[in-house]
Amino acid sequence: DSGVTQTPKHLITATGQRVTLRCSPRSGDLSVYWYQQSLDQGLQFLIQYYNGEERAKGNILERFSAQQFPDLHSELNLSSLELGDSALYFCASSALAGEGTDTQYFGPGTRLTVL
Amino acid sequence: AQKITQTQPGMFVQEKEAVTLDCTYDTSDPSYGLFWYKQPSSGEMIFLIYQGSYDQQNATEGRYSLNFQKARKSANLVISASQLGDSAMYFCAMREGDRDDKIIFGKGTRLHILP
Repeated sequence: DSGVTQTPKHLITATGQRVTLRCSPRSGDLSVYWYQQSLDQGLQFLIQYYNGEERAKGNILERFSAQQFPDLHSELNLSSLELGDSALYFCASSALAGEGTDTQYFGPGTRLTVL
Repeated sequence: AQKITQTQPGMFVQEKEAVTLDCTYDTSDPSYGLFWYKQPSSGEMIFLIYQGSYDQQNATEGRYSLNFQKARKSANLVISASQLGDSAMYFCAMREGDRDDKIIFGKGTRLHILP
């Protein structure tokens, strides 16, 4: 158990809908990262928040947004869902901002299925 | 060009044998970090081992060691005395520079341990 929690574990929804994925980092960790894992694209970095502020952005679609709250938990919002958004979404956390030896620990993931 | 290359999509190894999973990387930055993660069939991503580009010695964590050959840009994972529970997908990943927080993942190697 990495100490990172994600809810829900599974999510099934329809095209065009909006969903929210939630992540609680390990106790004391300041950074939260979101990743998307699909069969064809592999593991793709989406976005990072550090202590409430957006720090790095990867291949995140405009239909997706995220935020980190004062208690450091984070939410990833996915809207106007398409079939291709079906994937495993991981949250990871690290103690600091991610430099050097700062290691990311992953949550169990949320499996999103868009029908 | 791919930053992280894992040339073995799948491997079959007899239980108790040692396993080497290949990983080569591409970067011009003198400062970088290399990671290995394990993803069992249950889906979670488990951090295994880290190697910094300036580390003089190869990293080791229990049965895991990283065979770091800087000149060849190679960071192979060695698992000694393999166990059935080692059957999983293994990802090599890299963070470039001291301030780049993004981790780039390879496409993974699926390891099957045979009884």
